[in-house]
Amino acid sequence: ETGVTQTPRHLVMGMTNKKSLKCEQHLGHNAMYWYKQSAKKPLELMFVYNFKEQTENNSVPSRFSPECPNSSHLFLHLHTLQPEDSALYLCASSQENIQYFGAGTRLSVL
Amino acid sequence: GENVEQHPSTLSVQEGDSAVIKCTYSDSASNYFPWYKQELGKRPQLIIDIRSNVGEKKDQRIAVTLNKTAKHFSLHITETQPEDSAVYFCAASILGGGGNKLTFGTGTQLKVEL
Repeated sequence: ETGVTQTPRHLVMGMTNKKSLKCEQHLGHNAMYWYKQSAKKPLELMFVYNFKEQTENNSVPSRFSPECPNSSHLFLHLHTLQPEDSALYLCASSQENIQYFGAGTRLSVL
Repeated sequence: GENVEQHPSTLSVQEGDSAVIKCTYSDSASNYFPWYKQELGKRPQLIIDIRSNVGEKKDQRIAVTLNKTAKHFSLHITETQPEDSAVYFCAASILGGGGNKLTFGTGTQLKVEL
C-alpha cells in the first residue's frame, strides 16, 4: 500500500451511464493527479490539482469531469463515455517530485 | 509540450546479465527524470530518479545516467533477477509550482529468463 486508495477497482458501464471514480490519499500531499493507462500507450496525464486548484487539463474531453473538494480527495465523474475510454485510470499524489500511485480503476465501457 | 521516447519496447535478458533502457526527451527545460516499475496488475512504483544537476545516480543494482546535451537518459540494471521482470517507464518534467506534470515514455517490458 502506498497510502493512495482508489475505488472501485473495477467498473463496467454503458455509454449512457453516469459514474464516479474516487481517490483518497492519506499522505498529507498537496497535489493529486488523474492518469489514463491504455494498452501499448504511455501513461497519459489527464488532470492535476495543487492545493485543490486545477493546474492542468491535458485536453481531456468534457465527458470526464474532475472534482477536488480538498487536498485528500479527488473524483473523476464520467458521463456518456465511449468504448475507447475503456482503460485503467490511475490516481497519484505528491508533495514535491515523487508521485505515489493508487492501484487504479479498471474501466470497461460497453 | 514535452515528448518522451523510450526504447526498446521489449527486452529479454538472462538472469545475471545487465539490462539497459534508454529514453530521449524534447524539452531542454525538463529537469526531473524518474523511472517507474509496474509489475503485472500492480501500480507503478518509483525505483529511482535523477535531477538535471546530476549526471549519474546509483542505488544498489540500479543506476540512471543523464546526458543533458543530448537530451537522453538511461536506466541500467545489473545482475538481473526474475523479480526484475516488469514494465519500466521513464518520465520527464519541469519541477516547479502547480504539481509535477510528468510526461511518460511508452514503457519497456523487461523479461528476465532463468
